[in-house]
Amino acid sequence: DQQVKQNSPSLSVQEGRISILNCDYTNSMFDYFLWYKKYPAEGPTFLISISSIKDKNEDGRFTVFLNKSAKHLSLHIVPSQPGDSAVYFCAATEGGSGNTGKLIFGQGTTLQVKP
Amino acid sequence: NAGVTQTPKFQVLKTGQSMTLQCAQDMNHNSMYWYRQDPGMGLRLIYYSASEGTTDKGEVPNGYNVSRLNKREFSLRLESAAPSQTSVYFCASSGDRVNYEQYFGPGTRLTVT
Repeated sequence: DQQVKQNSPSLSVQEGRISILNCDYTNSMFDYFLWYKKYPAEGPTFLISISSIKDKNEDGRFTVFLNKSAKHLSLHIVPSQPGDSAVYFCAATEGGSGNTGKLIFGQGTTLQVKP
Repeated sequence: NAGVTQTPKFQVLKTGQSMTLQCAQDMNHNSMYWYRQDPGMGLRLIYYSASEGTTDKGEVPNGYNVSRLNKREFSLRLESAAPSQTSVYFCASSGDRVNYEQYFGPGTRLTVT
C-alpha cells in the first residue's frame, strides 16, 4: 500500500523552462510534506517543505503547491538549470505531539534538464 | 561538523554472512533512521529510533536488527544476509519536530551474492 506516489518515473525539460514534478498521497492524516533531491552516489538532501495549513511555499526557483482536497502536491522549478538534474523524492509525515518524525517517501522522479 | 557519517561505503557479502552497518551523527539529534533504496521503490524505512534507548520497526524490518548505542550512533545489523537485501542503505537523523527535516548520510552500497 503506497501512501505516497510519484507516478512519473522520469521527466525531461529544456534548460530555462519550467519543471513540474507531481506527488499524490492517500493518507489524510499527513500534514507536513517535504521534497528531497538526490544526486548519484550521494544521500538525499532537503529541498523545500510545506505545512498543510498552507497551499504554497516558495524558496528562490523552487515552489511547492499543496492541494489538500485532491491530496496532491507539486514542485515547480523555474527556470530549470542543468544542475537540477537529479532524482526528486516527495515525502510526507503525520504531525502532532506523538509524531516520531517518520517520513513516508514516494518512488522518486528522475529529472533531466537538457542544455 | 561532519553531519551524518556511514561506514562502510561499499560491501559485498555472500548469502548467509552477517555484517553491521555503522551510522553516527554529530548534530545532537534525538531521532535516527535506517532506510533502503531500491530501483522504483523509493526510500523505505527499515527501523527508527525516536530517542536514545528506543527503537521501532518501520515498513520493511524483516531480516534486520538495530541498536541505538548512544545518542550519536545507530547501527543496522544483517544476521544472515540474503540476495533480496542487496540495496543502498541510508542512515538519517532529525532533531526538529517543527519542520521534520531529516539529514542523510552518503549511503552504503551492499551486494549480497
